Amino acid sequence: ETGVTQSPTHLIKTRGQQVTLRCSSQSGHNTVSWYQQALGQGPQFIFQYYREEENGRGNFPPRFSGLQFPNYSSELNVNALELDDSALYLCASSLSPSGTGGILNTEAFFGQGTRLTVV
Amino acid sequence: AQKITQTQPGMFVQEKEAVTLDCTYDTSDPSYGLFWYKQPSSGEMIFLIYQGSYDQQNATEGRYSLNFQKARKSANLVISASQLGDSAMYFCAMRVMDSNYQLIWGAGTKLIIKP
Repeated sequence: ETGVTQSPTHLIKTRGQQVTLRCSSQSGHNTVSWYQQALGQGPQFIFQYYREEENGRGNFPPRFSGLQFPNYSSELNVNALELDDSALYLCASSLSPSGTGGILNTEAFFGQGTRLTVV
Repeated sequence: AQKITQTQPGMFVQEKEAVTLDCTYDTSDPSYGLFWYKQPSSGEMIFLIYQGSYDQQNATEGRYSLNFQKARKSANLVISASQLGDSAMYFCAMRVMDSNYQLIWGAGTKLIIKP
């Protein structure tokens, strides 16, 4: 096990609703990133937080937002859910050297994911 | 633009045989890192092996080795002596400095080990 915990593991929401997914990082990790993995595809980067600030964002609309807390746990919020938001949402935590927000060989430790179904 | 291509959607391999999973990448950044992850049906991504663009030798981790051919921009994963527990999805991913250190992923290869 990686020590990264995501909750809930599964949920079903109705189109137009809002959802909050949670991630508890591995102890000591200061960076968290979120990925969306549609069925049968590779993950797509949503955004990354380093020490409570967003320091990278993928090609996702503003209705995807996030937070990182002082204990480095994190939330992913999605507003106005659409059917295409149905996917596995993965959280990854890592330890970035001070002042960098990441380096090339930083190993990311993943949680088991939250499977979101929008109906 | 950065891109990872995995051309094998699925593979069947006999137990105890070696298997090679293909990965090609595209980036104009001279500094990059290449990763392989395993994703069992449970969903969690499990780190297998890492290769840096400036590493002189191919990376190895137990039964996993990475066949890094920089000129061809390929980073194939080799699993020796495959086991039934190796059945899973395998993803190649890349990280470059230009992209805020995000991981860029391929579409994956589904590996099934036959007894």
